[in-house]
Amino acid sequence: KAGVTQTPRYLIKTRGQQVTLSCSPISGHRSVSWYQQTPGQGLQFLFEYFSETQRNKGNFPGRFSGRQFSNSRSEMNVSTLELGDSALYLCASSLQGRAFFGQGTRLTVV
Amino acid sequence: AQSVTQLDSHVSVSEGTPVLLRCNYSSSYSPSLFWYVQHPNKGLQLLLKYTSAATLVKGINGFEAEFKKSETSFHLTKPSAHMSDAAEYFCVVSETGNQFYFGTGTSLTVIP
Repeated sequence: KAGVTQTPRYLIKTRGQQVTLSCSPISGHRSVSWYQQTPGQGLQFLFEYFSETQRNKGNFPGRFSGRQFSNSRSEMNVSTLELGDSALYLCASSLQGRAFFGQGTRLTVV
Repeated sequence: AQSVTQLDSHVSVSEGTPVLLRCNYSSSYSPSLFWYVQHPNKGLQLLLKYTSAATLVKGINGFEAEFKKSETSFHLTKPSAHMSDAAEYFCVVSETGNQFYFGTGTSLTVIP
């Protein structure tokens, strides 16, 4: 069974640009959640989607948004990038309360 | 509100000696508790999960954790450390099932 796949693995963007990250969950998993990992703040919850609906949202500005498609694949978008958005973005797919994480997308904003 | 406190940011042990990584949690309900491990440049791997079936939870790679409600603790242990155990460990709490709150992590160093 394939694991959680995140693309791209690495990304370099300039301040002010926008970026879209993709996450393909494990087959059969309908819940997808996103996390931001930084050395200073650790792992912080961004949002969670289930059956194309956002169920929970963390404490992040509106520049961070996401969506989920009918095949459960999810995308996360960050607009007007800031230097502080540089982080490892992790996606997790969940089934019965057990989360499986992808390897993440490392975003560097310059 | 739920939160997790990992009491040590860094733990160093000699190979073959016991490992203890400490975690305290705060939750309004009966939470699910997890330990995840993250090796450098790798994703997060689930070590074990507590969901109230048994207070002593056995995980992969010889790790186990004991849920103590009276102490609101969920410490991770292993009888004998191996070099491959060197990694970052995260204690995680969840009330809703799909929203996870992470501790700040404990970096484990294993000395040969």
